[in-house]
Amino acid sequence: DTEVTQTPKHLVMGMTNKKSLKCEQHMGHRAMYWYKQKAKKPPELMFVYSYEKLSINESVPSRFSPECPNSSLLNLHLHALQPEDSALYLCASSPHTKGRGGELFFGEGSRLTVL
Amino acid sequence: SQQGEEDPQALSIQEGENATMNCSYKTSINNLQWYRQNSGRGLVHLILIRSNEREKHSGRLRVTLDTSKKSSSLLITASRAADTASYFCATVTIYNQGGKLIFGQGTELSVKP
Repeated sequence: DTEVTQTPKHLVMGMTNKKSLKCEQHMGHRAMYWYKQKAKKPPELMFVYSYEKLSINESVPSRFSPECPNSSLLNLHLHALQPEDSALYLCASSPHTKGRGGELFFGEGSRLTVL
Repeated sequence: SQQGEEDPQALSIQEGENATMNCSYKTSINNLQWYRQNSGRGLVHLILIRSNEREKHSGRLRVTLDTSKKSSSLLITASRAADTASYFCATVTIYNQGGKLIFGQGTELSVKP
């Protein structure tokens, strides 16, 4: 069983809606990640948080807004999305932060459909 | 942006056979990792090999790394139907801002009973 929990598992939203994806881990990891994965494609890195601070933003459109309220939680706020944003959104955590680059622990993902 | 290219894109074998997947990358790396993903699920870490290592074993898995050729291979021996999944290599590059883990295109493995 994964120790990274993502909610909701499925989300359907309209282009004018505002919704959020949530991710939680209690392994004491201080690096957390958001990835986006389209069908039959590899995960694409979106954001990296290190010690609750945003350290990497892979030029993600502003309609995706990440937030790390504390060391256990990671949110992804969604607003004015497009149908092409429909994908599996994966959260991951790692015990390693800057300069380490260790293994990632992934959640099961939130499958987002934008109508 | 994606760094790794994997070969083959799809592989179908019989139970008991060995499966070999290859990964090539473009830039210098800190380490290379292999992950497995069952359909529509999260990814599971399999093995990590550092840039100064050439070979690593874990159970039925054997990973090699050739930094001069910027390539790695994953060998699964005595495959089982339960090994059916997508397998991704992922390269780690360390920047001032932190570490980036970038995935290759993946190999879809099907093991027939």
